[in-house]
Amino acid sequence: SQTIHQWPATLVQPVGSPLSLECTVEGTSNPNLYWYRQAAGRGLQLLFYSVGIGQISSEVPQNLSASRPQDRQFILSSKKLLLSDSGFYLCAWSKLRQGVTEAFFGQGTRLTVV
Amino acid sequence: GDSVTQMEGPVTLSEEAFLTINCTYTATGYPSLFWYVQYPGEGLQLLLKATKADDKGSNKGFEATYRKETTSFHLEKGSVQVSDSAVYFCALISGGSNYKLTFGKGTLLTVNP
Repeated sequence: SQTIHQWPATLVQPVGSPLSLECTVEGTSNPNLYWYRQAAGRGLQLLFYSVGIGQISSEVPQNLSASRPQDRQFILSSKKLLLSDSGFYLCAWSKLRQGVTEAFFGQGTRLTVV
Repeated sequence: GDSVTQMEGPVTLSEEAFLTINCTYTATGYPSLFWYVQYPGEGLQLLLKATKADDKGSNKGFEATYRKETTSFHLEKGSVQVSDSAVYFCALISGGSNYKLTFGKGTLLTVNP
């Protein structure tokens, strides 16, 4: 079965510090990978998505970046965090398989920038 | 580009009431459609899905039918429980947009005993 791991679950970081959130997928190959942020309220903002190693599409310009160094690894980074970067970050994957597209989420990382 | 529009709520119901959360979409090609649920403090869980026109997705008493003619995927449940209180997201994936996963803004459902 496929699983998605996202860590850490919670993180408190000072303003100006770097960030690295990691997401890995098991049990599948060549998935599409996504990073979302859920800020105040409940809306989901797509930050980055990737259809293959080294292929990153950015949806919203900001001080975050993403990388996909391996097929099933997706990393969200920042060199200097801002207060506005606080939020709930969700990693997801999708795969077209036998004509059916499925998409699943990790448990999320709650980031508080202080 | 792709988009999903769902009623924003909040929706407040009494236990055993009938639930409908409307969702309509625009997409390139023939998307797969999903409903996700987010319980307080947790990530998103896939509730149900449908991959082609007239498909009905169902799970835990919830149902949604893929209506191509009205580009809709409304979520329904005949009798809600307090434990159904959560945020519900309608979403789609379309091959025409390179499989980008697009969400609606979410609907907060509160069920009172």
